[in-house]
Amino acid sequence: GEDVEQSLFLSVREGDSSVINCTYTDSSSTYLYWYKQEPGAGLQLLTYIFSNMDMKQDQRLTVLLNKKDKHLSLRIADTQTGDSAIYFCAESGGSSNTGKLIFGQGTTLQVK
Amino acid sequence: GAGVSQSPSNKVTEKGKDVELRCDPISGHTALYWYRQRLGQGLEFLIYFQGNSAPDKSGLPSDRFSAERTGESVSTLTIQRTQQEDSAVYLCASSSRGYNEKLFFGSGTQLSVL
Repeated sequence: GEDVEQSLFLSVREGDSSVINCTYTDSSSTYLYWYKQEPGAGLQLLTYIFSNMDMKQDQRLTVLLNKKDKHLSLRIADTQTGDSAIYFCAESGGSSNTGKLIFGQGTTLQVK
Repeated sequence: GAGVSQSPSNKVTEKGKDVELRCDPISGHTALYWYRQRLGQGLEFLIYFQGNSAPDKSGLPSDRFSAERTGESVSTLTIQRTQQEDSAVYLCASSSRGYNEKLFFGSGTQLSVL
């Protein structure tokens, strides 16, 4: 079945770059997403990438997609304390698309 | 409305009681989703409504869980005979069902079953 895996925790120093990794199983996913969840709040869409792209850059955020290895990463440049949150990777089904997204378990980013 | 609204924001109940959680999606969004987030875990899909189509209930964990949606508006998630393992944050999201399926989430209902 569809599955999305992430490492659970990442700690970085303020000003450094953060790289959050994700692997997924559904090779037919059309879009892959990164959501951010701040304490006590709902999830907020950060960015997304279409499956035929390798890279997408949006200000301090860079998304890299390796479709062959089914690996997605989110790089945050010049990480700030306000970036401390849980980051969720998600995929949208392709051939099995019923509209739902499959989420990873989230990576907690701690900025020191 | 401006965003997805959920109520109540917190609910404490006793084991065995029924609870109702409410979600007001963004106006005009045809798709509505319920997810469950247990402490320290990822989001678990529960149910998906899209317009007038039959809902995708494949994520509902047991027959104690049900959800309704009237047209393209409010949805209610009902949990009957609550158990302690039902304690979680219940998140609602809506989308315009555009091709890239961007979801907009509410802040969730924190359910605690004592």
